[in-house]
Amino acid sequence: DAGVIQSPRHEVTEMGQEVTLRCKPISGHNSLFWYRQTMMRGLELLIYFNNNVPIDDSGMPEDRFSAKMPNASFSTLKIQPSEPRDSAVYFCASTIFQGSQPQHFGDGTRLSIL
Amino acid sequence: SQKIEQNSEALNIQEGKTATLTCNYTNYSPAYLQWYRQDPGRGPVFLLLIRENEKEKRKERLKVTFDTTLKQSLFHITASQPADSATYLCALGDSGTYKYIFGTGTRLKVLA
Repeated sequence: DAGVIQSPRHEVTEMGQEVTLRCKPISGHNSLFWYRQTMMRGLELLIYFNNNVPIDDSGMPEDRFSAKMPNASFSTLKIQPSEPRDSAVYFCASTIFQGSQPQHFGDGTRLSIL
Repeated sequence: SQKIEQNSEALNIQEGKTATLTCNYTNYSPAYLQWYRQDPGRGPVFLLLIRENEKEKRKERLKVTFDTTLKQSLFHITASQPADSATYLCALGDSGTYKYIFGTGTRLKVLA
């Protein structure tokens, strides 16, 4: 079975540009999480969805960040305008919405803002 | 605020020995604790889950303990192999929201 698929794997863009990261969760999973990972702060939860509805976006750093989940098989994380401090690896994970279930992560998007 | 601490320094051990990694937390009462493995350039991969009412969980060469009084979990890899070299993350989960907070991870290197 295909795992969580993220695209692009790498993105390099200039400050001020719009960046869109994409995620396809595992079929049948009803919860989706967006994380950001840096050396200094580790893996931080940005937002999570349950049944396509945003449940908790308290980790979204600023209004420049937005996330959508138009259907059960697709989600986007958008940064507009991007800044150098947004450079990080962004991960998407999906799971079945129960506390004991593991999260399945994609291989991330490495984002560099120049 | 909630805080999770994992040893930020890399842990180097000899092949065949038991590796022990520590996860300490404060200002939190998690219902679940998970351990993940992360290889360079890849996403974390789930290894084990332990619940707040469980003291110990085993899976093959892996063992996890959970002490809610000490607010600590220990992760053991017995008969370690060079292929076990990776970064290991602990994650604490809330029973109400099922939201997990991750530690920054400990890098393990098993020397042949």
